[in-house]
Amino acid sequence: DAGVIQSPRHEVTEMGQEVTLRCKPISGHNSLFWYRQTMMRGLELLIYFNNNVPIDDSGMPEDRFSAKMPNASFSTLKIQPSEPRDSAVYFCASRPTGAGNTIYFGEGSWLTVV
Amino acid sequence: GNSVTQMEGPVTLSEEAFLTINCTYTATGYPSLFWYVQYPGEGLQLLLKATKADDKGSNKGFEATYRKETTSFHLEKGSVQVSDSAVYFCALSDLANAGNMLTFGGGTRLMVKP
Repeated sequence: DAGVIQSPRHEVTEMGQEVTLRCKPISGHNSLFWYRQTMMRGLELLIYFNNNVPIDDSGMPEDRFSAKMPNASFSTLKIQPSEPRDSAVYFCASRPTGAGNTIYFGEGSWLTVV
Repeated sequence: GNSVTQMEGPVTLSEEAFLTINCTYTATGYPSLFWYVQYPGEGLQLLLKATKADDKGSNKGFEATYRKETTSFHLEKGSVQVSDSAVYFCALSDLANAGNMLTFGGGTRLMVKP
C-alpha cells in the first residue's frame, strides 16, 4: 500500500492567497484526520471525518479554514485567506475503525505564508 | 474526557544510556494505548501498542507495559542510539467514548549524543 498521500509537500504563498492541501487516505480506512503541527502549539487535531462525514471540527481555528471529503479516497483542507500565523506542517492521517487499530500519517504538507 | 500527559522534554542522553519517557492517561473507558515516533521531517509512525491491561508492547528495543492500576504506559529502552533521536508521542484510543479519534500527549523530544 502506498500509505497516506499528501500534496503539496511544500508550499510557500503570500498572505491573502488561498491554499488547498490534498489528501488521499489508505484504501479501506473509514476515518480521516487533519492535524496541524507547530513548535509553539504542538500537534493539534483540526477535523475528523468518519465515512466521509465530518464528526468533530472543533479544532478548526476559524472560518478561514474549511475541509471537505467528497468521497472515501480524497479530502481537502482549504485556507482562505491565508495568514502568516497559518505557517505550519499539516498532516493528514487515516485509520480503520477499531480501538486497537493504528492511525497512519502522511508525510505532511509544509506551509509557509509570507 | 480523555487525556494523555507526558514528561516534558527535551530529554538528552548519551549513547547506550537507559531511556524512560513517562506517560500517564485519563480515560472514561478501557482504552488502547500507543507510542508513536516522529523523526525529523517526517510524519508520526507507530512504534508500539498495547490493547489491554498488563499487555507489553515492544519494537526496535523499546518496550511499554499497560498499567491500569497506575494509568501509565511508560516507554523504556535499555540502550539508546543516536538514531533514536526523535519526538515520541503517547496516545490513547477509547472507541466507546471518543469514537475513532486518538488522544495524543504533547510529545517528548529525545536527543541522543554520541
